[in-house]
Amino acid sequence: GENVGLHLPTLSVQEGDNSIINCAYSNSASDYFIWYKQESGKGPQFIIDIRSNMDKRQGQRVTVLLNKTVKHLSLQIAATQPGDSAVYFCAENMPFKAAGNKLTFGGGTRVLVKP
Amino acid sequence: DAMVIQNPRYQVTQFGKPVTLSCSQTLNHNVMYWYQQKSSQAPKLLFHYYDKDFNNEADTPDNFQSRRPNTSFCFLDIRSPGLGDAAMYLCATSRGPSLTDTQYFGPGTRLTVL
Repeated sequence: GENVGLHLPTLSVQEGDNSIINCAYSNSASDYFIWYKQESGKGPQFIIDIRSNMDKRQGQRVTVLLNKTVKHLSLQIAATQPGDSAVYFCAENMPFKAAGNKLTFGGGTRVLVKP
Repeated sequence: DAMVIQNPRYQVTQFGKPVTLSCSQTLNHNVMYWYQQKSSQAPKLLFHYYDKDFNNEADTPDNFQSRRPNTSFCFLDIRSPGLGDAAMYLCATSRGPSLTDTQYFGPGTRLTVL
């Protein structure tokens, strides 16, 4: 769903540990989900995506899990590194009329990697 | 490298003084988007262009306008900026309107209103 909060939840993780970031979505008709990483002062950067006909997808050091039953999405980062420190947003992508697609972002989670 | 470019990166304007933010892309994408992102919040879509077709979000204030003179450029005009318009403004592009056409974001322009 859309973010309405003023404070981002923060996940502190030790360098080398695995990170799990969770996201709930509201629209059961959503078909396509994306995780974005946003570093301070930069625009969101695509990490990984997943279609609703899948429940798991793996990338380099990242895995996205989708549980449609409870409308839950998670991003797992293996062996978290200092460069992974950022805000992570999940987003639902839905068709917008016939003229583009519309990203609706979740609230975001700040990941802080401790050396 | 193909990319989405936003200028300026930082913009300061006075209350009520019109301001224009620009976005250009070398990806030759058909769709361009403008988002507003306030501190510690998620980006919020203002409007987008699919080619020359303009699509406004229902809750985007009339104070915000956009122009797309050609495929490569898109502008965000804020006619009378208020203090509440201070935010990061993000431009994004996608190849087309398909669901799986990834949106690529520029670095953003941080707007300060004095």
